[in-house]
Amino acid sequence: EAQVTQNPRYLITVTGKKLTVTCSQNMNHEYMSWYRQDPGLGLRQIYYSMNVEVTDKGDVPEGYKVSRKEKRNFPLILESPSPNQTSLYFCASSLSLTGVYGYTFGSGTRLTVV
Amino acid sequence: GEDVEQSLFLSVREGDSSVINCTYTDSSSTYLYWYKQEPGAGLQLLTYIFSNMDMKQDQRLTVLLNKKDKHLSLRIADTQTGDSAIYFCAESALQASGTYKYIFGTGTRLKVLA
Repeated sequence: EAQVTQNPRYLITVTGKKLTVTCSQNMNHEYMSWYRQDPGLGLRQIYYSMNVEVTDKGDVPEGYKVSRKEKRNFPLILESPSPNQTSLYFCASSLSLTGVYGYTFGSGTRLTVV
Repeated sequence: GEDVEQSLFLSVREGDSSVINCTYTDSSSTYLYWYKQEPGAGLQLLTYIFSNMDMKQDQRLTVLLNKKDKHLSLRIADTQTGDSAIYFCAESALQASGTYKYIFGTGTRLKVLA
């Protein structure tokens, strides 16, 4: 089944403890992206990747890192999480940004930083 | 700048039609999309419309595009309780860098009353 898989689904952590949220897609998509969803703010893009080893900042990149060493994986790294990073995170991938395909989204990771 | 706006809430009775509205600012958009997010899940692409179309119908869904006013709407006929979800409008916008980017609205929470 074509899908984007994120792990974990839920995570509670303490301020300053490094964490990684994994994202993997099995559709051979070149474009991958991370978003955070907060009430009243919709989806805001954190980082995106156009292809292997090609990543760039989105609208809210502060406090996050990403890497794209393989086409299928695009992990999100929080080196020193803070409470303002408590949010619902989504990974998404797409075959093309201009076509009929749109995004395929993962199921989300709900992160709480205390 | 790029902006996609939606009203936050909509409540309808089961069996009635729902109309969810969206306004966007980027006239270079080639495709516009509607996504549905059910509770605890990621966003799922519902339908899309190419920018040179005025209307697209897909079973109970009708998408209307007024390119002059930059207004997009999603009509759901015979709304069912299973349609209760958050609906996101999105556009594929051309950036100054020459690449495209998906811009999402804030989402409209549709509540269907039995």
